[in-house]
Amino acid sequence: DAKTTQPPSMDCAEGRAANLPCNHSTISGNEYVYWYRQIHSQGPQYIIHGLKNNETNEMASLIITEDRKSSTLILPHATLRDTAVYYCIVRVAWNFGNEKLTFGTGTRLTIIP
Amino acid sequence: DTGVSQNPRHKITKRGQNVTFRCDPISEHNRLYWYRQTLGQGPEFLTYFQNEAQLEKSRLLSDRFSAERPKGSFSTLEIQRTEQGDSAMYLCASSLQGMSDGYTFGSGTRLTVV
Repeated sequence: DAKTTQPPSMDCAEGRAANLPCNHSTISGNEYVYWYRQIHSQGPQYIIHGLKNNETNEMASLIITEDRKSSTLILPHATLRDTAVYYCIVRVAWNFGNEKLTFGTGTRLTIIP
Repeated sequence: DTGVSQNPRHKITKRGQNVTFRCDPISEHNRLYWYRQTLGQGPEFLTYFQNEAQLEKSRLLSDRFSAERPKGSFSTLEIQRTEQGDSAMYLCASSLQGMSDGYTFGSGTRLTVV
């Protein structure tokens, strides 16, 4: 499975942009990058995903480098409710469209008031 | 649709007892996943169903663990002869084949083996 590397923890001031990096140097050409977050005692929540183009939705933006070996999740105006563990995942696919997400240990993001 | 539902939310059991958890996925989702999460770790993949067929099992799923998804609807995860090392959060997720918007996770069942 393609491995991802994330910093274990980060802080960000409330109202500022939070930029969470992820390295996935062994990613294959057809593998997607997914981001999830998990707030304490809840199940992971889908944020965004991408293949090679930058993506934006109502929650965040995803910037993927041209060589696809790294990506950055951007929360444009962080709030206290964004405090969570953020997981960068490469989706693994195999025969006939089967696929699964393999989580790492993620980045614990703390938003500082 | 209220999302993915898992029951019970919490379970405390004595070592050696059997436990069963239930997951009700989003109704139109044909794929269902079970994950296990211990403190400080990310969720670990256990098994995957497409409709009623169990297509992938992790080596983490020892022979004390069994999962079913009769008729491709709800799923159950049973742990026989529980051990203290089975204490964890058990998460269920569902998705629709062909949609790339990721999985919807339930809130999990927290198992404590005493």
